[in-house]
Amino acid sequence: DIVMTQSPDSLAVSLGERATINCKSSQSVLYSSNNKNYLAWYQQKAGQPPKLLIYWASTRESGVPDRFSGSGSGTDFTLTISSLQAEDVAVYYCQQYYNTPYTFGQGTKLEIK
Amino acid sequence: QVQLQESGPGLVKPSETLSLTCTVSGGSISSYHWSWIRQPPGKGLEWIGYIYYSGSTNYNPSLKSRVTISVDTSKNQFSLKLSSVTAADTALYYCARDQGYLGYWGQGTLVTVSS
Repeated sequence: DIVMTQSPDSLAVSLGERATINCKSSQSVLYSSNNKNYLAWYQQKAGQPPKLLIYWASTRESGVPDRFSGSGSGTDFTLTISSLQAEDVAVYYCQQYYNTPYTFGQGTKLEIK
Repeated sequence: QVQLQESGPGLVKPSETLSLTCTVSGGSISSYHWSWIRQPPGKGLEWIGYIYYSGSTNYNPSLKSRVTISVDTSKNQFSLKLSSVTAADTALYYCARDQGYLGYWGQGTLVTVSS
């Protein structure tokens, strides 16, 4: 199985400031034949199901605010929230879909400082 | 807008079989893969497996011996059966539309394993 490791486990950021969450995979999730990274990011607010934010490592899902962006390739990825809003308080997960079983990072809890 | 809704018993006895159904509305189940994912209370996400509308399946090896996922295209539903459950199977169970990434999720249903 591909192991996904997120850092940090928790993060407190002031409103309007940048938040950065990292995700590292135990093997590359870049498929060379199409040059796509099989990596997604989700946001899970309390009492809600996860919500897809980013797929193919950097493609924003429709309706997701543009303050959310994804970057990285191969084994190292980053989710950035450029200007933190109160409604961004949540747990964030990365997921690889390069192969099965799909695996998720352990989650990063984002709070307001 | 695609919507998914899980249904099934919220309490299952140890050693028995957990059975859940996911009803898809706002779109046909006859395309895409469809997945089950679970989340123990206060913990992270675990992918259980997926089914294609044709009936082909792919299961997490950690659960493969106990899992069966089936589809009923006439009802736009797919189902999960997990046998020989223990307290470790207590979790929120989600169904989702699977394109590798999981774009649409149900609200989840809590299943507690207890006598």
